Amino acid sequence: GENVEQHPSTLSVQEGDSAVIKCTYSDSASNYFPWYKQELGKRPQLIIDIRSNVGEKKDQRIAVTLNKTAKHFSLHITETQPEDSAVYFCAASKLTGTASKLTFGTGTRLQVTL
Amino acid sequence: DAGITQSPRHKVTETGTPVTLRCHQTENHRYMYWYRQDPGHGLRLIHYSYGVKDTDKGEVSDGYSVSRSKTEDFLLTLESATSSQTSVYFCAISTNTEAFFGQGTRLTVV
Repeated sequence: GENVEQHPSTLSVQEGDSAVIKCTYSDSASNYFPWYKQELGKRPQLIIDIRSNVGEKKDQRIAVTLNKTAKHFSLHITETQPEDSAVYFCAASKLTGTASKLTFGTGTRLQVTL
Repeated sequence: DAGITQSPRHKVTETGTPVTLRCHQTENHRYMYWYRQDPGHGLRLIHYSYGVKDTDKGEVSDGYSVSRSKTEDFLLTLESATSSQTSVYFCAISTNTEAFFGQGTRLTVV
């Protein structure tokens, strides 16, 4: 089955700096790569996703890049703010219709300091 | 919240007792999932369902069973709870654009 590795496990940045979280996956058939943000005590919520036919996607201060050949994808957050502090999870799956059986990475705790 | 509710939100139970967690959705989604979340492990898939009475195992299914007798309800049962099943359990549904999670159930087995 799919295996997703995520690094680093913790990341501390100063407000205004950029943060990068990296993930690798094992199953070349995976075609959908979402990123979830989970604030303390809350449910994971989707912040951005990318499909295998696209190399990069941006949404305001966040962006995701995908390298299918190397089987890795990354989350980039620019101009970090205190409200970006949370745990971030990458995931991978083979999307078929509305099925999205996600395999998650182990999470990155991002701390944005003032 | 994509119309997903989990119950109970918190539960403390004793080792060896059966426990059932409920996930209810109001939007007629076909696919439903149960994940558990543990520190250092992220979220791991326990079981999933692709329709009424159609279920399959995920990567950590041992000790768990599920049932889906109606589209809107997906039940997760711990037949005989163990301390290793202390965790936060999330139900999810998927659309053709993303997966949505319920609020989670914090289960403690003492």
